[in-house]
Amino acid sequence: NAGVTQTPKFQVLKTGQSMTLQCAQDMNHEYMSWYRQDPGMGLRLIHYSVGAGITDQGEVPNGYNVSRSTTEDFPLRLLSAAPSQTSVYFCASSRRLSRQGKWEAISGNTIYFGEGSWLTVV
Amino acid sequence: AQKITQTQPGMFVQEKEAVTLDCTYDTSDPSYGLFWYKQPSSGEMIFLIYQGSYDQQNATEGRYSLNFQKARKSANLVISASQLGDSAMYFCAGYLGSARQLTFGSGTQLTVLP
Repeated sequence: NAGVTQTPKFQVLKTGQSMTLQCAQDMNHEYMSWYRQDPGMGLRLIHYSVGAGITDQGEVPNGYNVSRSTTEDFPLRLLSAAPSQTSVYFCASSRRLSRQGKWEAISGNTIYFGEGSWLTVV
Repeated sequence: AQKITQTQPGMFVQEKEAVTLDCTYDTSDPSYGLFWYKQPSSGEMIFLIYQGSYDQQNATEGRYSLNFQKARKSANLVISASQLGDSAMYFCAGYLGSARQLTFGSGTQLTVLP
């Protein structure tokens, strides 16, 4: 995977604990996002950002918080972990997305994913 | 409705042969992006190839090529000279119109036979 780094790769949390999943990209991409992948559910968007200081909610934002203070980093915070948040989390980035969240079909506007973070909440 | 359809839950191919994985999409917006990702059993999502709706030529990346037919709304992935390491789940995904997220197909499990 080109330039999207996620940490940690594996984590076990107790119900009620909080934690932060880190995501960094070194491609100077404007757009970053967090997805979760559950068995049989496909990937669902949690939050996304179209640039530093700009974030917005995706399909399943409840229980998660994000911030984008720099172009490179987009951490995902679990505020009070619940067993329903047991999932695989993917961070993704791409060069361009409009401020309204609309795709810009420019050449080379590829979406790259990090290697995933396996989170278990017990 | 914005939708990605993969109709082949599983495919088998002999090593060194070519294989085509099907993908159709549904959008009325002229601006969209289509992607193929490989997800091996280790779980990571590996980008393979991208086609923007305005790109004039079909995308190619090494052994991967995208057979993009706009009128038929299809974006099939062609893998040439299959290798054992190509065995994995393959997802077609699209950033379609006004949707704010990637829409994924249900995936095709490809098995390469020695």
